[in-house]
Amino acid sequence: KQEVTQIPAALSVPEGENLVLNCSFTDSAIYNLQWFRQDPGKGLTSLLLIQSSQREQTSGRLNASLDKSSGRSTLYIAASQPGDSATYLCAVRNTGGFKTIFGAGTRLFVKA
Amino acid sequence: EAGVAQSPRYKIIEKRQSVAFWCNPISGHATLYWYQQILGQGPKLLIQFQNNGVVDDSQLPKDRFSAERLKGVDSTLKIQPAKLEDSAVYLCASSTIQGLNTGELFFGEGSRLTVL
Repeated sequence: KQEVTQIPAALSVPEGENLVLNCSFTDSAIYNLQWFRQDPGKGLTSLLLIQSSQREQTSGRLNASLDKSSGRSTLYIAASQPGDSATYLCAVRNTGGFKTIFGAGTRLFVKA
Repeated sequence: EAGVAQSPRYKIIEKRQSVAFWCNPISGHATLYWYQQILGQGPKLLIQFQNNGVVDDSQLPKDRFSAERLKGVDSTLKIQPAKLEDSAVYLCASSTIQGLNTGELFFGEGSRLTVL
């Protein structure tokens, strides 16, 4: 059974800092891994999607990496801004059964 | 391109009442998901459809929850009777068929349910 864990649960950093959010999963037989952002009271916005055959994806100040063998993914945010304050969720899609399992998220607060 | 549409955005009911949520996925997306997100937690999959067939409903409390996707397009999730612990945001998502495309998930804004 796939389990997804995100560490830390919450993070507060000053503006301008580079930061790393972690996601770990127990079953390496994944189809893809997707990082989402969720603002309070809103739905989920897709940030980056990494296919199982890929090692990383980049979009602007965001970079996500995937290491299937160790069951880990990281989301790197460069030069953080107050507008980056949100909850970041990691979701793993399995190859068998097509289920997508979410972590509990990391709540990020970037102080101006 | 229109995104995933959900309604209503907010609903307040008393326990033991019933409620229904509606979702219209992105056009052409064969797979539709309903997730339940309790405050402070990650989304939990309730049910997954591929076209109008159920792929996974192992975590759907079938004594009170039901869902249908009769024509393989839009879907309805119903709760009857509601309990206090059903207070949550109900998220609908859709994706293309795994194996043919990236399988990227797209979410609607969610329907926030408060049970009093």
